[in-house]
Amino acid sequence: SAVISQKPSRDICQRGTSLTIQCQVDSQVTMMFWYRQQPGQSLTLIATANQGSEATYESGFVIDKFPISRPNLTFSTLTVSNMSPEDSSIYLCSGRQGAYTEAFFGQGTRLTVV
Amino acid sequence: AQTVTQSQPEMSVQEAETVTLSCTYDTSENNYYLFWYKQPPSRQMILVIRQEAYKQQNATENRFSVNFQKAAKSFSLKISDSQLGDTAMYFCAFMKQLGGGSEKLVFGKGTKLTVNP
Repeated sequence: SAVISQKPSRDICQRGTSLTIQCQVDSQVTMMFWYRQQPGQSLTLIATANQGSEATYESGFVIDKFPISRPNLTFSTLTVSNMSPEDSSIYLCSGRQGAYTEAFFGQGTRLTVV
Repeated sequence: AQTVTQSQPEMSVQEAETVTLSCTYDTSENNYYLFWYKQPPSRQMILVIRQEAYKQQNATENRFSVNFQKAAKSFSLKISDSQLGDTAMYFCAFMKQLGGGSEKLVFGKGTKLTVNP
């Protein structure tokens, strides 16, 4: 499967600021997704990143808080805006190379908001 | 909506022994996919094994095998000859067959497995 490079791997941010997380895939992928993982918890899907169009957000997540870009088939960014301590979490990007294929993941970004 | 249940929050096993992690799911779909992912402390999610619902044969990948019971909606993971490197969170995941690549993964809450020397 393809390899996703995700950065930063971790960051500590001040509340009220924004952080942009980047994911670069080493080959073209059909679908890209962004997840949030609270400490010790499972993965919650934030949105599906659509190439060349607006992302599709899951219930409870909005574009103003988590703007997503996907300018091409190998790159996507997630911004966590106007951060609060409740946004402290691990954020993971994921990709799939086609229908019915398994997902592969980036290394995750551990975000701490102080 | 599909749900995935992992009833064992934590498990431990001695090195070289066998352990089975449980997973049940709820769906009205007939065609779908099931996965086990491993997440070690490095946070990297790694695919362990995959099972297509239309296949009756249980999937096997080296020391990892599944017991897929479609009627019971059960999908357990057996790890044989456990190794210290198997220590990780294990997530069971379900994917409905929609076509077009828009399928989403639904994850269970995970089982923390510790392999003891």
